[in-house]
Amino acid sequence: SQTIHQWPATLVQPVGSPLSLECTVEGTSNPNLYWYRQAAGRGLQLLFYSVGIGQISSEVPQNLSASRPQDRQFILSSKKLLLSDSGFYLCAWSGFGGHEQYFGPGTRLTVT
Amino acid sequence: KNQVEQSPQSLIILEGKNCTLQCNYTVSPFSNLRWYKQDTGRGPVSLTIMTFSENTKSNGRYTATLDADTKQSSLHITASQLSDSASYICVVSGTFNQAGTALIFGKGTTLSVSS
Repeated sequence: SQTIHQWPATLVQPVGSPLSLECTVEGTSNPNLYWYRQAAGRGLQLLFYSVGIGQISSEVPQNLSASRPQDRQFILSSKKLLLSDSGFYLCAWSGFGGHEQYFGPGTRLTVT
Repeated sequence: KNQVEQSPQSLIILEGKNCTLQCNYTVSPFSNLRWYKQDTGRGPVSLTIMTFSENTKSNGRYTATLDADTKQSSLHITASQLSDSASYICVVSGTFNQAGTALIFGKGTTLSVSS
């Protein structure tokens, strides 16, 4: 069966510090991978998606970036965090077409 | 504009009671609709998925309905339990694309079940 992991589970970082969140998927090959952000009282916002190694597409302009160094690894990064980057970050995977997406446990990021 | 609206925003019910959550969408063209359950601090978990030709789908005590003509869906929870306390998110999928980026998320309904 497929499983998706995210770490860390929680993170508190000062403004201006770098960020690296990691997501890995097990039990499937060549998945579509997604990064979402969920702010309090708001719906999920798609940040990045990837249909293959090294292929990253950004949905919204921001100071975040994503990379996919391996087939089942997706990394969300920032060089300098902003207060507005605080939120709950979810990684998800899907098969071709992405109609059924499976979410990871999430990372709670607080920027102070 | 493609949108998914959910109501109510929050709901409190007593354990054992039934409840119904609503989802209205304006996504076009429509591909499918899903309901997710998201426990606090956790990732969403899929409850049901329906295409335009399906009117109802059940998953245990959860029953989802879909009216593609009026673009409305509901999620009915029977005999609620404390563990049903969570946020319920309606997600509508629009035009098919390889990347699966045609998902429109509702803001969710927060359900609290009290004893």
